[in-house]
Amino acid sequence: DGGITQSPKYLFRKEGQNVTLSCEQNLNHDAMYWYRQDPGQGLRLIYYSQIVNDFQKGDIAEGYSVSREKKESFPLTVTSAQKNPTAFYLCASSTAGTGGYGYTFGSGTRLTVV
Amino acid sequence: QQQVKQSPQSLIVQKGGISIINCAYENTAFDYFPWYQQFPGKGPALLIAIRPDVSEKKEGRFTISFNKSAKQFSLHIMDSQPGDSATYFCAASSSSYKLIFGSGTRLLVRP
Repeated sequence: DGGITQSPKYLFRKEGQNVTLSCEQNLNHDAMYWYRQDPGQGLRLIYYSQIVNDFQKGDIAEGYSVSREKKESFPLTVTSAQKNPTAFYLCASSTAGTGGYGYTFGSGTRLTVV
Repeated sequence: QQQVKQSPQSLIVQKGGISIINCAYENTAFDYFPWYQQFPGKGPALLIAIRPDVSEKKEGRFTISFNKSAKQFSLHIMDSQPGDSATYFCAASSSSYKLIFGSGTRLLVRP
């Protein structure tokens, strides 16, 4: 079945550590996105990529980094510069040039600072 | 102009009642308006979507009403069930890749 796989489902980070969240899709989608969701809140865009080897900052990119070396993969690194990283992180993908049609989300990674 | 404003923030409905969630937008270039449903601990999933060439779209108990002149669209859930309890997001997009999401509505359907 085609879809988006996020791993791990739960992640714990110590203060000062960098952690990387994985996002893989087999939908042959060109565009991929990372969102942050805080409890009871909406979706805030962190980074997005429309094509391999290219990505753009979203609304809350500070303290995060991404790479897009393969079409299927869009990992997100939460760096030590992100002062409040505890949140639910969602990855999504979509087909290029369709204006959001076919936007598909993964099941999320819950990151907790310990 | 890129914002999508969603209301109410939370909604409580009795089983069998009608749930109504409203969204408004400013950008007249938007031409795709989906609604997503999210259960706790899960990613949002596409529920129903509409394009501005129609004023209404119905899928089972879920209906989108679209008012192009008012730049508003709404989700109606008929015969609401406890299993419908979730967070609902409206969204909009134009020719760009990104969907612009509303802030979400937490729906609780009481038995």
